[in-house]
Amino acid sequence: DTAVSQTPKYLVTQMGNDKSIKCEQNLGHDTMYWYKQDSKKFLKIMFSYNNKELIINETVPNRFSPKSPDKAHLNLHINSLELGDSAVYFCASSQASGMGLPLHFGNGTRLTVT
Amino acid sequence: AQSVSQHNHHVILSEAASLELGCNYSYGGTVNLFWYVQYPGQHLQLLLKYFSGDPLVKGIKGFEAEFIKSKFSFNLRKPSVQWSDTAEYFCAVNQGSGTYKYIFGTGTRLKVLA
Repeated sequence: DTAVSQTPKYLVTQMGNDKSIKCEQNLGHDTMYWYKQDSKKFLKIMFSYNNKELIINETVPNRFSPKSPDKAHLNLHINSLELGDSAVYFCASSQASGMGLPLHFGNGTRLTVT
Repeated sequence: AQSVSQHNHHVILSEAASLELGCNYSYGGTVNLFWYVQYPGQHLQLLLKYFSGDPLVKGIKGFEAEFIKSKFSFNLRKPSVQWSDTAEYFCAVNQGSGTYKYIFGTGTRLKVLA
């Protein structure tokens, strides 16, 4: 039983295209996140949703738009992809919003923009 | 702004050697502290966490970490590493109740030689 699942695992696309990454968690958690891990392994938070409400929106280009249809799902849509968007994107979730409990990560989506 | 520093970027050890990875954070209030491990090509997994109480916490796979409040540090230790410990290690901080943001350090790449 995968707790936090992301699809697709790999995504190769050309500059200018629009793509989406999906994330689902079956842990019953309230809060979900998107993190970007660059080529140097640095993890940077992008967005967070708590019970479908956007609570963290870091300095991310407007081309990135998260959507949370329900608290078990958090998708990431990226418009007009650029070379610099190439990275591994991790979805994560946590229980008991705001209580600082551990994050549970998905397996990541490796995005390559050519 | 809150930050997390991991001073050792790359560490190479022989099997059975002892390990200590440094982690310092900049926030002066109550914090929740975490160490995550990322094996090659995999997602981040929780090694251990500190919320309160005994500052010496034990995690999985023989890892432990010590919270020293006066030094704003949460160093990770293992008495005897194994080849299978080869991975990237991340320290993370959450400011506790009411906050949703988890800040990650830049990671330490550990290579254990057989």
